[in-house]
Amino acid sequence: QSVLTQPPSVSGAPGQRVTISCTGSSSNIGAGYDVHWYQQLPGTAPKLLIYGNSNRPSGVPDRFSGSKSGTSASLAITGLQAEDEADYYCQSYDSSLGGSSVFGTGTKVTVL
Amino acid sequence: QLQLQESGPGLVKPSETLSLTCTVSGGSISSNSYYWGWVRQPPGKGLEWIGSIYYSGSTYYNPSLKSRVTISVDTSKKQFSLKLSSVTAADTAVYYCARHQGPTVTLDAFDIWGQGTMVTVSS
Repeated sequence: QSVLTQPPSVSGAPGQRVTISCTGSSSNIGAGYDVHWYQQLPGTAPKLLIYGNSNRPSGVPDRFSGSKSGTSASLAITGLQAEDEADYYCQSYDSSLGGSSVFGTGTKVTVL
Repeated sequence: QLQLQESGPGLVKPSETLSLTCTVSGGSISSNSYYWGWVRQPPGKGLEWIGSIYYSGSTYYNPSLKSRVTISVDTSKKQFSLKLSSVTAADTAVYYCARHQGPTVTLDAFDIWGQGTMVTVSS
């Protein structure tokens, strides 16, 4: 059971905008720890999509954007494309129980 | 271009110790700019951080696994390793090695990942 909660699934038609929430608490996101986002295509390793709440690594399209507010963070995908169908995970650090890097529960994005 | 490659047995018996190695190529493991970590993913489930190590040997472990985990580094071989003791079926997962983006486990994302290796715990 992760301390970062994501919706199990979101869907949208090509070209639409979808958002994925990552809800934490005062011991992780709310404590000021950065949130990172990963995309995992079927059968492959996760790929870093957003780091430090809102920064894109080189090569990541600007259709992907991240934000953070209070105890939550969000990943937005605009202009949804078929190739965006994947699992998405948020990650942060939790200072409770000795401290641990933590991942969100994961969200499956389906392109209709 | 930095690459990571996991290696080790794909089948481990219950109560035994799981041992995996991650080999770094195309770059240095001894840089003071990065931590190196292990992440696992049970079949059909989410990601779980196991622990991370600095080239000097400094380690951070997931508290829920700490009593069973040892991560070590061999800079001469450009490798870091994972040992997980007293394994059960619940430890069956794809195990990934990955590089932190920077020298801070609490802040830095994983920016480079290995392809992962499946480990099954079964008699």
